[in-house]
Order: sequence, then structure tokens, then C-alpha cells
Amino acid sequence: DAKTTQPTSMDCAEGRAANLPCNHSTISGNEYVYWYRQIHSQGPQYIIHGLKNNETNEMASLIITEDRKSSTLILPHATLRDTAVYYCIVRPQGGSEKLVFGKGTKLTVNP
Amino acid sequence: NAGVTQTPKFRILKIGQSMTLQCAQDMNHNYMYWYRQDPGMGLKLIYYSVGAGITDKGEVPNGYNVSRSTTEDFPLRLELAAPSQTSVYFCASSYSPVQVYGYTFGSGTRLTVV
Repeated sequence: DAKTTQPTSMDCAEGRAANLPCNHSTISGNEYVYWYRQIHSQGPQYIIHGLKNNETNEMASLIITEDRKSSTLILPHATLRDTAVYYCIVRPQGGSEKLVFGKGTKLTVNP
Repeated sequence: NAGVTQTPKFRILKIGQSMTLQCAQDMNHNYMYWYRQDPGMGLKLIYYSVGAGITDKGEVPNGYNVSRSTTEDFPLRLELAAPSQTSVYFCASSYSPVQVYGYTFGSGTRLTVV
């Protein structure tokens, strides 16, 4: 399985952009990058995913480097409600449909 | 549209007792999953199912059993509860192919074994 590396924790000021990095240097050509987040004690919530092009939706933007070895999740105007653990996940190969979760990045948005 | 519904939300079991964690989804998803999350840790896959009548083991299946008799329901059975099974359990479901639609998670069942 492709592995991901994320910082353990990050801080961001309310109203500023939060940029969460993820390294996935062993990603294969047909693997997608997914981002999920987990607000305290709740089930994880899907945010966004991409293959090789940058993606944007109502929640966030995903920037994937040209070599696909890393990506950045951007929350353009972070609010206190964005405080959560953010998981960067690469979908496993071999036709398996399951996602594997690491420890993620704990983002704290400060007033 | 309720999404993924888990019951109960909380439960305390004594060592050696048995229980079933219920999971139901109303989105007609083919794929369903059970994860557990220990304090301060990421989620670990217990079992998953790619459709009615088909189940397979994940990373940590020991001590658990599952069945999938309908598309909607995916119960998780603990036969002989042990303190190591104290955790928060999340059920999830997805369409196929998963890379298009992502996963939908339930709100979790917090289980304590004493």
C-alpha cells in the first residue's frame, strides 16, 4: 500500500487559510488521494479527492504536485469549527475498495 | 435520507458477554465497513463487505464476526467481550467505484468492556 506522511499537529488563526501538507512519495499512477476529517468524537467526513489535477469544492481545495508525490489541502478561511483531525489517504491498489487511515494531522484553529 | 445509522451509541459490557452492534444505511450502497478507533489513534478496519452475502477480513478481525444478509444492514458481533475491545466503533458505506463517491460514516458506538 502507498504510505502517507503528515505532520502530527498544526495551528491556524481563525479567518486565515489553513494549508495541510501530505507526502505520498510511493503513490502509484492509478491511485487517488483522499482527504477526510474527524471532528471530535464524530465519524470521519469526506472532504475532497483527486488523481492528478487540482480540485476545489465548497469545503476545500486540493493541490497535487505534478509528480504526485505530495499534496496540500487548503481550507481558505478557517473557522473554529474546522478544528479536527485531517486524514490524507491513498486508495490501496489491487482492486481493494477499503481505505486505510493513519493518525492524521490535528488542526487547531485559534480565535 | 438518514445516511448511516448505528445503534446503540453507548454500551458497557462485562468481560465474556456478547453483543451485536447494528449498522444500517439507506443509500443503496454496495460496500460497507466496520472500523474501530482506540483513543488518540487512527481508524483500523475490522471487516468489510462488497455486497449482500459477501464479507472479508480487514486489519483487526480477531474477536469479531459479521454478516451481510441484505444490502442495507451490516451487523458486527462480539462473542466474548474482552477489555482490549474497548473502543469506538464506526460503520461506513460507499458506492462502487469508491474513488468517485467517497465514504459515508455513522456517528459511532462507544463500547467499554469492564
